[in-house]
Parts: sequence; structure tokens; C-alpha cells
Amino acid sequence: QVQLVQSGAEVRKPGASVTVSCKASGYTFTGYYLNWVRQAPGQGLEWMGWINSKNGGTNYARKFQGRVTMTRDTSITTAYLELSRLTSDDTAVYYCARASGELRPGPPDDYWGQGTLVTVSS
Amino acid sequence: QSALTQPASVSGSPGQSITISCTGGSSDVGGYNYVSWYQQHPGKAPKVMIYEVSNRPSGVSNRFSGSKSGNTASLTISGLQAEDEADYYCSSYTTSSTVVFGGGTKLTVL
Repeated sequence: QVQLVQSGAEVRKPGASVTVSCKASGYTFTGYYLNWVRQAPGQGLEWMGWINSKNGGTNYARKFQGRVTMTRDTSITTAYLELSRLTSDDTAVYYCARASGELRPGPPDDYWGQGTLVTVSS
Repeated sequence: QSALTQPASVSGSPGQSITISCTGGSSDVGGYNYVSWYQQHPGKAPKVMIYEVSNRPSGVSNRFSGSKSGNTASLTISGLQAEDEADYYCSSYTTSSTVVFGGGTKLTVL
């Protein structure tokens, strides 16, 4: 069965960086784009960007450009989200979520990671 | 990219039907049939209820239906049940090859 398993909770100080991993299994990893979505406490869903798992191409939301890097390692079917220059506003649950439809970007389908809480606090 | 516009809250009694709207523009909702709807219960990851405007994944109740007219997509839930109480989000593909979410709608079952 399709699974996306994310790394555990992180605590960082303002100004630091954080990397969240997303291990995929149960499907052809290179056949689907992966979205990264975050949700601040009590807030809505916010799309951060996607990565083309096949060729590593990315597209980031304008808000995060310059501060976000999405990568993947096809040998271990794992995607990574790195966010730098953290502030308290980056405190949120970060999700990876597979895009619906093969080999094209788009909204997430029903396969989401369990979420990773990133807390930014001095 | 601005968020899609959803009502902050809707409510209905058990057995009734409700509709949640999701308004964007020609560069997102109006331009593509890649609109999805998600249900999120507290502390849980979102669950897709509708994809590509009106398609229901296997396992999702046929009480959930989706449609689109122009720049506005809609999610209708018929025969409301207590378990439907949750937050609902719409999402669309855009001309910039990005994805945009709605602000979310809290559904209360009275």
C-alpha cells in the first residue's frame, strides 16, 4: 500500500534551518510529483511547492522562494524539504503529499505523510 | 498567488444538505478541471473527498459531490451526518503550474 512516512518533530531557533524527510513506498516513486504543504497552528493549508520526483525539477510558491529547497533521492525513494532563515511564523505542521495524476503536477491525492511539527522558538 | 475564497463556516442539521463554495479566477479554478476537496478532522492529515472537480475516490461516500461553474467550484454534502463535522478545503492547479488552497470552511453539524 502507498505510504509516505515523514521524519520526526523538530525544534529550531530563529535564523536556523530545518530539513524534513518524506520516505515513499508502495508505488513507483518517480511516477508522481510530491507536494509540500504546511499548516500553522489553528490555520489553513498552505502550499509550499512541488518536486518532480523523476528529474528533480521544482516549483516553489512565491512566498518561499529563496528560502526553500526541495530535493529527492530516488535510490531511497525519499524527498526532502529544507527551509532556512526560520522565524516563529514558520512554526507549523509540514506535510508531504503525492500529487494526483501520474507524471504531472497538481493538487494532492489521498496520500499524505503523517505530518512533521516544526517549532521555531528562542 | 492569492488563496481561493471559501466561506469561513457553514452549518446544517443531520439529514440536510449543505454546499461549500470555492471561488478563484480564470487562472486557477476557471481554467482547469484540477480542483480537489479535502476533509480534515482535528489533529489528522487531510483526506481527499473529491478530485478533478467531481470525481470521488473509492471509499468516499456518495453523499459527497463536486461541481464547477465558471470560476467557482462547489462541494455538496447530502444527508449530513455527525461525522461530517470537520474543516473542508478546496485546492486548484494554476497557470503558474502551482497549487493553491482555499482558506478552509468549518462545517458544524447542529
